[in-house]
Amino acid sequence: GENVEQHPSTLSVQEGDSAVIKCTYSDSASNYFPWYKQELGKGPQLIIDIRSNVGEKKDQRIAVTLNKTAKHFSLHITETQPEDSAVYFCAASKGWGKLQFGAGTQVVVTP
Amino acid sequence: ETGVTQTPRHLVMGMTNKKSLKCEQHLGHNAMYWYKQSAKKPLELMFVYSLEERVENNSVPSRFSPECPNSSHLFLHLHTLQPEDSALYLCASSRQATGGGTDTQYFGPGTRLTVL
Repeated sequence: GENVEQHPSTLSVQEGDSAVIKCTYSDSASNYFPWYKQELGKGPQLIIDIRSNVGEKKDQRIAVTLNKTAKHFSLHITETQPEDSAVYFCAASKGWGKLQFGAGTQVVVTP
Repeated sequence: ETGVTQTPRHLVMGMTNKKSLKCEQHLGHNAMYWYKQSAKKPLELMFVYSLEERVENNSVPSRFSPECPNSSHLFLHLHTLQPEDSALYLCASSRQATGGGTDTQYFGPGTRLTVL
């Protein structure tokens, strides 16, 4: 089945700097790649997603890139703010509602 | 909020107890999911329901018993659990869970379960 690896497990950045989280997946049939943000005491919330027919997608300070050949995708957060501190999860799916999640990245933005 | 609610938010139970977790979605979706989130592990998909039919049971022990009486409600019945079952149990919903495409899943806040 699908296996998703996520790095790094923790990431500390200064406010205003950029943060990058990387994920690799194993199943070349995967076609949907969402990113979720989970704050303390809350469930994961979708922040951006990308499908396999697109190489890059951007939404304000957040962008995701996908390299299907290498089977990896990345989340980029620019101009980080303290409210960006949370755990971020990547996931991959080839349909039928089955999301395979990475282990998560704890992002800490220090003022 | 996401439109997915879960009750209770916290639950402590003994190994011989029977309890149920409840999930309700107000998004008009046709698919609902149970996930288990343990510390330092990826979210694990447990069950998938599409139009009230169970379409996925991800090798979950029988001490976890799901029920989906309609497309808006999902339950997880618990009995004779083990301490290692302590975790955050998350419910999610999406428009559908069939076919090769994938719809966005919206998560509830979870139930923090502690088994003594």
